[in-house]
Amino acid sequence: GAVVSQHPSRVICKSGTSVKIECRSLDFQATTMFWYRQFPKQSLMLMATSNEGSKATYEQGVEKDKFLINHASLTLSTLTVTSAHPEDSSFYICSARVGWAYNSPLHFGNGTRLTVT
Amino acid sequence: RKEVEQDPGPFNVPEGATVAFNCTYSNSASQSFFWYRQDCRKEPKLLMSVYSSGNEDGRFTAQLNRASQYISLLIRDSKLSDSATYLCVVNDRDDKIIFGKGTRLHILP
Repeated sequence: GAVVSQHPSRVICKSGTSVKIECRSLDFQATTMFWYRQFPKQSLMLMATSNEGSKATYEQGVEKDKFLINHASLTLSTLTVTSAHPEDSSFYICSARVGWAYNSPLHFGNGTRLTVT
Repeated sequence: RKEVEQDPGPFNVPEGATVAFNCTYSNSASQSFFWYRQDCRKEPKLLMSVYSSGNEDGRFTAQLNRASQYISLLIRDSKLSDSATYLCVVNDRDDKIIFGKGTRLHILP
C-alpha cells in the first residue's frame, strides 16, 4: 500500500527556535499533501493543504507566516514551525492521497510529536 | 448541525461481543466515506472505505445510508486489539475532507 514517511517522529526544542518537519510519499507522487495538528484528546484539525509548485492553502486561524509550508517536489512537503512557543506543542501529521479521485483515501505519515520547552 | 458527528463514547464492550457505531453527516452531496482507526498517540490508519452497497472486510462491516445521511461500522467477535478510536471521514464533491471527532472503543477482557 501507499506509504507516507514523516520525520522526525519526535522533537523537543526551546521556545523561539524553528522546527522543520518533512513528509515524503515513498511509492507514489503526491500533488497535494495535507497537514494536520492534533492536541491531546482532540480531533484532527486541518492546518493547510500543500500543493506542489504553488502556495499552500491555509485554514482559517492558521498563521501562514508561523507555519511555513513548502512543497517543492511531487514527493516532499515540509512544514516549518517558526519561533515555536509552548502552545505549539502538539502532534503534527501529514497525509497524502494516491490519485486524483475524491474517493481515494488519505494515507498518513506516522506523525511528529513536538514539545516546545 | 456539525458537518460530521460521532458519539465520542467510550464504548466499553466485552471481548467477543459485537459493537456498532454510527456517524452522521450534514452535506447530502458528500461523495465518499471512510472509517479510520487511531491508536493512542499514533497516526490514523485506514480501516476501510464505505461503499454505497455496503462492504465487509473480515469482522468489519461498513454501511452507508444516504437517505438518513449516516454511515455505520459493525465489529463482530471483538478482540482486545480492536480497542482504539474510530474516525469517520467524509469527502464531499468539492474535495473537502472532514473528520469526525472519533468514537473511543474499549474492549474488555
